[in-house]
Amino acid sequence: AQSVTQLDSHVSVSEGTPVLLRCNYSSSYSPSLFWYVQHPNKGLQLLLKYTSAATLVKGINGFEAEFKKSETSFHLTKPSAHMSDAAEYFCVVTTSETDKLIFGTGTRLQVFP
Amino acid sequence: DAGVIQSPRHEVTEMGQEVTLRCKPISGHNSLFWYRQTMMRGLELLIYFNNNVPIDDSGMPEDRFSAKMPNASFSTLKIQPSEPRDSAVYFCASSLSWEQYFGPGTRLTVT
Repeated sequence: AQSVTQLDSHVSVSEGTPVLLRCNYSSSYSPSLFWYVQHPNKGLQLLLKYTSAATLVKGINGFEAEFKKSETSFHLTKPSAHMSDAAEYFCVVTTSETDKLIFGTGTRLQVFP
Repeated sequence: DAGVIQSPRHEVTEMGQEVTLRCKPISGHNSLFWYRQTMMRGLELLIYFNNNVPIDDSGMPEDRFSAKMPNASFSTLKIQPSEPRDSAVYFCASSLSWEQYFGPGTRLTVT
């Protein structure tokens, strides 16, 4: 069975400082991993995806994530936070194109001026 | 492209009433997913369709919930009768391969 664990339910940073949102996964097979972002009262938007190509994945809005098999981690990072990054972030795992996505519980990112 | 379209955006109804949520997926996508999001349970997959056929409905909470996809451009999620614990945001998503595109959601309040 697959699962993801988001290690922090809330993260607060100051504008201009680095962002780190942590995610660990569990999967019996080679997983595909995603990060989705949800702004208040909006649907979810794909930030980036890992599907067994390069282990360092770049996404939209300056975010990137690194797949580390030895640590079963897929942490999301951004060098410098912007006020508009304040949102809920979901780490997601699946094992095939036709399989359902398994969502983590989410991390709420707050960005202070 | 208009993206995934859901209607209504907001629905307030009384306990016991029937509620129908609607979804129009992105043209050309062959998979459609219904999710429910609450503070307590997070984001849950209710059911998904591939080529209009239900593939996995194990997330549907109980018989009060039903979903249909009569054609490639339309799906409904029905709750009959509705209960206060059904209050949530219901999302529809569609996909062609890996990436699921989410609609803006329907916020359902059952009083």
